Amino acid sequence: EVQLVESGGGLVKPGGSLRLSCAASGFTLSSYSMNWVRQAPGKGLEWVSFTSSSSTYIYYTDSVKGRFTISRDNAKNSLYLQMNSLRAEDTAVYYCARVRAWTDGIDFWGQGTLVTVSS
Amino acid sequence: DIQMTQSPSSLSASVGDRVTITCRASQGITNYLAWFQQKPGKAPKSLIYAASSLQSGVPSKFSGSGSGTDFTLTISSLQPEDFATYYCQQYNSYPYTFGQGTKLEIK
Repeated sequence: EVQLVESGGGLVKPGGSLRLSCAASGFTLSSYSMNWVRQAPGKGLEWVSFTSSSSTYIYYTDSVKGRFTISRDNAKNSLYLQMNSLRAEDTAVYYCARVRAWTDGIDFWGQGTLVTVSS
Repeated sequence: DIQMTQSPSSLSASVGDRVTITCRASQGITNYLAWFQQKPGKAPKSLIYAASSLQSGVPSKFSGSGSGTDFTLTISSLQPEDFATYYCQQYNSYPYTFGQGTKLEIK
């Protein structure tokens, strides 16, 4: 069974840092590109970042460039999002999402982890 | 950035109805368009990719169409479990962008 399990969310003060993890099981992470997508409370979905299967291609939405870093450890079947200089507007549920092929987009989502940035 | 505009923002329908949701891209995205369903407090679920292809396990009551800038999601014979929020997303170019969502409610 395919599973993506996010962890690492929590309450952090503005300017602080958090590292999110996404543990993949039921498939080989190294064969897939991955995304992080977030959803602020009561709001819609917002794409955050993408990494290709071997990390050759990495992209970010403008609002997190220079503050967030996506990475992966295919040997550990894990995806990460290092979030620095956090702002109140980064408060959201963060989902990791698998891309089956670049022509097919996202095919599977994790259950999400909540990040709250507040003093 | 490519803007994705969904209409309507909300929709009331009855069990058994057929409904259509529209998604318009601000520029051409060929067929790199996906649809997702999200229920309150849950993660999104992938329904359709490449504008019209069903994800594995998704019932055929869901169908998608369109190319270029105009796309539709149609749900036939609505059942109680279909009442949710639906999002379109373009993956033609970065940054990937989502529509604002369409909340489908029971009439």
